[in-house]
Amino acid sequence: EVQLVESGGGLVQPGGSLRLSCAASGFTFTNYYLSWVRQAPGKGLEWVANIKHDGSETFYVDSVKGRFTISRDNAKNSLYLQMNTLRAEDTAVYYCARAPGGKEGGYFDLWGRGTLVTVSS
Amino acid sequence: DIQLTQSPSTLSASVGDRVTITCRASQSISSWLAWHQQKPGEAPKLLIYKASTLESGVPSRFSGSGSGTEFTLTISSLQPDDFATYYCQQYNSYSLLSFGPGTKVDIK
Repeated sequence: EVQLVESGGGLVQPGGSLRLSCAASGFTFTNYYLSWVRQAPGKGLEWVANIKHDGSETFYVDSVKGRFTISRDNAKNSLYLQMNTLRAEDTAVYYCARAPGGKEGGYFDLWGRGTLVTVSS
Repeated sequence: DIQLTQSPSTLSASVGDRVTITCRASQSISSWLAWHQQKPGEAPKLLIYKASTLESGVPSRFSGSGSGTEFTLTISSLQPDDFATYYCQQYNSYSLLSFGPGTKVDIK
């Protein structure tokens, strides 16, 4: 089955760290760009970070630059998001999403079910 | 940064109605626009990409149009399964993606 499955969410105190994982299956992992997209409770979707198929380039929304790091392990068909110096406003469901890549393929054609990150004391 | 706006923010409609949602970009994004559907408690689902290309498996009652800065998503005959929130997403530059604020379609 073609799917993305996130894990690693939970409750963390402000200033703390968390590492999210996304396990991919059912498709050729290295053919796709991958992203993290988040959704705060009751709010809309916000793109967080991207990584190219070979990990050669990464991009971030301004609000997480310097605090979050996206990475992938193509041998393990896995995507990661290391989140440091977490803030209350980072509280959200974090989705792993796949994009075909290239100029024409920046749209998300497969989404995981998400993992909830709560930043609170 | 490219900002997306959607109108209306909420739309009340009945089964069988024709529904149109508009997405506007703050600058030209050619046809690099997708539409996603999200139901409560679920992950988003891709409906349309490249402004008007229907994703495989998506019912033909969904259609998209537009280019440049103005785009529309149309549902030709609203079905019970279509009550959801719809988001547009621009991908003019892979280094800076963004979504519209969403349009909630609920039952009239």
